[in-house]
Amino acid sequence: DADVTQTPRNRITKTGKRIMLECSQTKGHDRMYWYRQDPGLGLQLIYYSFDVKDINKGEISDGYSVSRQAQAKFSLSLESAIPNQTALYFCATSDPPRTAPGELFFGEGSRLTVL
Amino acid sequence: DAKTTQPTSMDCAEGRAANLPCNHSTISGNEYVYWYRQIHSQGPQYIIHGLKNNETNEMASLIITEDRKSSTLILPHATLRDTAVYYCIVSPQGNQFYFGTGTSLTVIP
Repeated sequence: DADVTQTPRNRITKTGKRIMLECSQTKGHDRMYWYRQDPGLGLQLIYYSFDVKDINKGEISDGYSVSRQAQAKFSLSLESAIPNQTALYFCATSDPPRTAPGELFFGEGSRLTVL
Repeated sequence: DAKTTQPTSMDCAEGRAANLPCNHSTISGNEYVYWYRQIHSQGPQYIIHGLKNNETNEMASLIITEDRKSSTLILPHATLRDTAVYYCIVSPQGNQFYFGTGTSLTVIP
């Protein structure tokens, strides 16, 4: 089983619908991240959370919200989806840096299409 | 946040060393250099990271210039499976990883 699991893996929805992408991890990491990737481009950071009570905006948070339900779960919501939110979404986790900086571990991605 | 500059694309012959450059001229003293790669549409995979010294692991070597304003990722013997997009990232001690557009490496048979 994957250490970082994203659901759903694929979703097609219509403009204006509310969508939730879920991420769960079994790595025991405190830090979790949501990224968006448009076709042919790099990853953009949407939100990140360093622990259950900590939520931070990334580069492109407008139109998105998140919820950190537990250490292992971090959900991304699109309250009213629009076509330019069509993208591949990645969840990632990391450990806090202690003696060495943490590295990111990614899920397999959730492909969202908004019609 | 420090930004990085990478060539958009590169080719490398199979079996030869692939040298991927990255400029990070505004890097701060507490920022590490990380390299990740992404194969097709999979989640990016960690390769290596460093602060000041050169680093080597089973995947690659990382050469950081003395002034830390640039670095080079070296894949010593590139294979077809190394065809991917390679991202150079600078991050303060592993906080907030911001990816750019990376270098698309094509390994040619």
